[in-house]
Amino acid sequence: GDSVTQMEGPVTLSEEAFLTINCTYTATGYPSLFWYVQYPGEGLQLLLKATKADDKGSNKGFEATYRKETTSFHLEKGSVQVSDSAVYFCALTLNDYKLSFGAGTTVTVRA
Amino acid sequence: ETGVTQTPRHLVMGMTNKKSLKCEQHLGHNAMYWYKQSAKKPLELMFVYSLEERVENNSVPSRFSPECPNSSHLFLHLHTLQPEDSALYLCASSQDRGSRELFFGEGSRLTVL
Repeated sequence: GDSVTQMEGPVTLSEEAFLTINCTYTATGYPSLFWYVQYPGEGLQLLLKATKADDKGSNKGFEATYRKETTSFHLEKGSVQVSDSAVYFCALTLNDYKLSFGAGTTVTVRA
Repeated sequence: ETGVTQTPRHLVMGMTNKKSLKCEQHLGHNAMYWYKQSAKKPLELMFVYSLEERVENNSVPSRFSPECPNSSHLFLHLHTLQPEDSALYLCASSQDRGSRELFFGEGSRLTVL
């Protein structure tokens, strides 16, 4: 079935370090791709999205590019802050409402 | 007030208890969802309601019983649960079934003893 696979955590890094979280997908068609973020004690919230190949989603200094040739949607940020500590979820949908989520990657940023 | 509110935030129950989780959205959305979040596993979609009609029941055991009395409220009734049902239960809403952005509540942490 349609699914996403994202790198296992936890990921621990220092402030101002470069962050990459890998996400690859398997889908029978052309999905829309998403990154959701879950800060401690909160629900998930949409971070960014891309709906077609070569689209780049960006928000809060994070970026991800929809790569059809590698079926990937890796999340990157050039300089992380302590406030970026959270769990990050990659997700896809082919139809109108059924989101398939990855297992989540826990990121901890140390001052 | 936050967009999607879930109560209680924490619940401990025995296997013979009956309890309910409540979700309320203040966003004027027409679709609501229940997800189960277990440690180190992908989020599992349990139920979807669109305009108060259940449109998805993702092979969820009958010991979980959803109810959507109106477009702003969603319940998950729990009875005779198992310890493996312990998890974080997340409610979400979207503008309608065709909208791809979900707005999540903070979750209800359920522990079944």
